[in-house]
Amino acid sequence: GAVVSQHPSRVICKSGTSVKIECRSLDFQATTMFWYRQFPKQSLMLMATSNEGSKATYEQGVEKDKFLINHASLTLSTLTVTSAHPEDSSFYICSASYRGPRTYEQYFGPGTRLTVT
Amino acid sequence: AQSVAQPEDQVNVAEGNPLTVKCTYSVSGNPYLFWYVQYPNRGLQFLLKYITGDNLVKGSYGFEAEFNKSQTSFHLKKPSALVSDSALYFCAVREYNDMRFGAGTRLTVKP
Repeated sequence: GAVVSQHPSRVICKSGTSVKIECRSLDFQATTMFWYRQFPKQSLMLMATSNEGSKATYEQGVEKDKFLINHASLTLSTLTVTSAHPEDSSFYICSASYRGPRTYEQYFGPGTRLTVT
Repeated sequence: AQSVAQPEDQVNVAEGNPLTVKCTYSVSGNPYLFWYVQYPNRGLQFLLKYITGDNLVKGSYGFEAEFNKSQTSFHLKKPSALVSDSALYFCAVREYNDMRFGAGTRLTVKP
């Protein structure tokens, strides 16, 4: 149980275009979803936290207008990178948790490799 | 805010030897501590966690970790390393609804 999927696994887009990444909790209702960014050979950096039905809370230094996060349902959150540039190329990982006895658990998706050319 | 330190960027061990990947943490309340492993171009796989109870926690693939409150450490261990254990390992601490990761330690197990 507690499986999180991401789509697509890899995406290549041209500079200036927007790209959407989906994160789904397949067998549980994710009351909270997290988006992380990972540069090569580096750790995961939390970008934002979103609670279902609420606006996302962004970490300091993360541009809200560039990284649009929507958590419209208990099983789906999306991250849209708007007007992407090569420096946005990275590995994006989502995770999800749910309200309940094990709310300290976070379940991670497999990640999405974004390459902006 | 909570934080995690992994003092070693790289750990090299020979297959069959014991391995230790170090982690120290800082948190204001009770720590929720985790170890994850990441293979190339993959997401994080959960290995084990400490929430409460026994200080020695056993996890997946033969890994275990020891919670040491006085030293604020949560080192990952395995009695006999396998070549397939070679990967990137992350220690994490969670406080409230916020999980923070260490910088990661690359483990290389040589045949």
